[in-house]
Amino acid sequence: GQQVMQIPQYQHVQEGEDFTTYCNSSTTLSNIQWYKQRPGGHPVFLIQLVKSGEVKKQKRLTFQFGEAKKNSSLHITATQTTDVGTYFCAGPRTNAGKSTFGDGTTLTVKP
Amino acid sequence: DTGVSQDPRHKITKRGQNVTFRCDPISEHNRLYWYRQTLGQGPEFLTYFQNEAQLEKSRLLSDRFSAERPKGSFSTLEIQRTEQGDSAMYLCASSLGASGVPSTDTQYFGPGTRLTVL
Repeated sequence: GQQVMQIPQYQHVQEGEDFTTYCNSSTTLSNIQWYKQRPGGHPVFLIQLVKSGEVKKQKRLTFQFGEAKKNSSLHITATQTTDVGTYFCAGPRTNAGKSTFGDGTTLTVKP
Repeated sequence: DTGVSQDPRHKITKRGQNVTFRCDPISEHNRLYWYRQTLGQGPEFLTYFQNEAQLEKSRLLSDRFSAERPKGSFSTLEIQRTEQGDSAMYLCASSLGASGVPSTDTQYFGPGTRLTVL
């Protein structure tokens, strides 16, 4: 079945440093979603990528979808303490609603 | 608050007891999902409803788990004869999407029900 792998599992940065998390799939993905989960919170949808090579930006966050649609990345420029949390990627949902989440990258930011 | 709500937020039970959780999706959303999440893991798909029809159930779900969405609005997830391995956060999500189309609609998650089985 579909699997998505995320690296790294943890990332500790100093405030102001950049952060990148990577998501890799063994199969081609029709789309990929990114979510953020704050400590003690629930996943919150950030963005969906659909097109090969697509790049989308949300303020300091840059999302990329690989040309082969098998990998994706999330890059945060100049991290802030509000960026703390776990970032998940998720593969596309099937017609039957099933989707597969990666295990996430947990970001901590030292002020 | 017009988001997804779940009740209760926390449940502590003894092994062997039955528990039931409720999810109220965003009112116009026709799709509803249940996930389970343990520490350090991503959400793990359990089951999916489109309106009142349960279209998919994970093979990871044993016969002790059952979910319903009788009127296509709220949903319940019941776990019978709970085991310590059932301890987890149970998340509900909803979305609005067209029938029969590979899903690209946005899922909105509820706050979850944290289950602890002693």
